[in-house]
Amino acid sequence: EAGVAQSPRYKIIEKRQSVAFWCNPISGHATLYWYQQILGQGPKLLIQFQNNGVVDDSQLPKDRFSAERLKGVDSTLKIQPAKLEDSAVYLCASSLGTSPYNEQFFGPGTRLTVL
Amino acid sequence: KQEVTQIPAALSVPEGENLVLNCSFTDSAIYNLQWFRQDPGKGLTSLLLIQSSQREQTSGRLNASLDKSSGRSTLYIAASQPGDSATYLCAVNDYKLSFGAGTTVTVRA
Repeated sequence: EAGVAQSPRYKIIEKRQSVAFWCNPISGHATLYWYQQILGQGPKLLIQFQNNGVVDDSQLPKDRFSAERLKGVDSTLKIQPAKLEDSAVYLCASSLGTSPYNEQFFGPGTRLTVL
Repeated sequence: KQEVTQIPAALSVPEGENLVLNCSFTDSAIYNLQWFRQDPGKGLTSLLLIQSSQREQTSGRLNASLDKSSGRSTLYIAASQPGDSATYLCAVNDYKLSFGAGTTVTVRA
């Protein structure tokens, strides 16, 4: 079974530029998560989708971050404009079913550096 | 708000020694707890998941215990190997995952 796929793996941009990350969850997984992991910290949930609807985006900085999940499968996370403090690893995870208690499976992450 | 703490932040042991990693959380009303491994530049690999009704979970050389009432979990890794060098994260699920900052383990050959 293929795991969670993410691209790109690395991205370097200047502050105030825009950037987009892509995630393809495990086939059949209804719930998709985006996390932000700053160096030396644990991951922090940014947004949670069930199928193509948003369940929780309470910690998403909506003035600069946006996310969508196309047809309940792939998802894109965008930052516009980027700030220095957005430098982090962005992790995508998925889980089977819609229960928040299901085990989550993580992708390899995208490492973003904002200069 | 759930707070998850992992102590120590870093640990270095000689090969063959048993590892003991600690995780504490502030709100005991959790549904489950997961232990993850993270290698440098990589994503998270799930090691063990313990349901709130369980006291422990085992997989090979790994054993995780859970004491929900005291807000503690411990991950034991028996007979450590250099390949066990990584950062270990615990996460509690009380509707969403809250992570600790991790313990970075170095196993010296």
